[in-house]
Amino acid sequence: QKEVEQDPGPLSVPEGAIVSLNCTYSNSAFQYFMWYRQYSRKGPELLMYTYSSGNKEDGRFTAQVDKSSKYISLFIRDSQPSDSATYLCAMRPSMEYGNKLVFGAGTILRVKS
Amino acid sequence: SAVISQKPSRDICQRGTSLTIQCQVDSQVTMMFWYRQQPGQSLTLIATANQGSEATYESGFVIDKFPISRPNLTFSTLTVSNMSPEDSSIYLCSVVRARTEAFFGQGTRLTVV
Repeated sequence: QKEVEQDPGPLSVPEGAIVSLNCTYSNSAFQYFMWYRQYSRKGPELLMYTYSSGNKEDGRFTAQVDKSSKYISLFIRDSQPSDSATYLCAMRPSMEYGNKLVFGAGTILRVKS
Repeated sequence: SAVISQKPSRDICQRGTSLTIQCQVDSQVTMMFWYRQQPGQSLTLIATANQGSEATYESGFVIDKFPISRPNLTFSTLTVSNMSPEDSSIYLCSVVRARTEAFFGQGTRLTVV
């Protein structure tokens, strides 16, 4: 079993839709949770990170962590064609310097205009 | 954030040859990380490059196949040696500022024929 599971998609939605991207994990030691966006032929760029359980909002993006269920989500409101990319979840046990990240496989999102 | 320049951005190589990938960061960092991203799979950490000491390799990766140099605090190279088609992948360098999130270069897309 992989430490982090993420549906690879592709997920195709119409412009303006609410998008829900999800990851599950097995290691209860994970405390920091991140979402990266990766455009084609580019490196991943950090979108959001959260610590422990709860919600965090940034513009059209909301990250949600449920540690009791070992489940994290990224919601995108009013999705735009420019949101079309691969979204990677990542997590780590602590933010101690050098502590490696564990990534999901990434979900391909396509927003149709 | 961090500005990371990685080159080449892509290359097509003959099997049995070697390719050296360069990673330049805009400021000094203690640790640099090398990842591999195969189609449809997670980012997999290859090794951690420390300035002034040997790189630390993850399970399944060895120095003879992926030698790493780290001559100073802003630069690192990863060599993919004696390449086979199975080495076709995207290779990414990454840095982590103390207690902050990981930042990535744009990646090197390698095709071995």
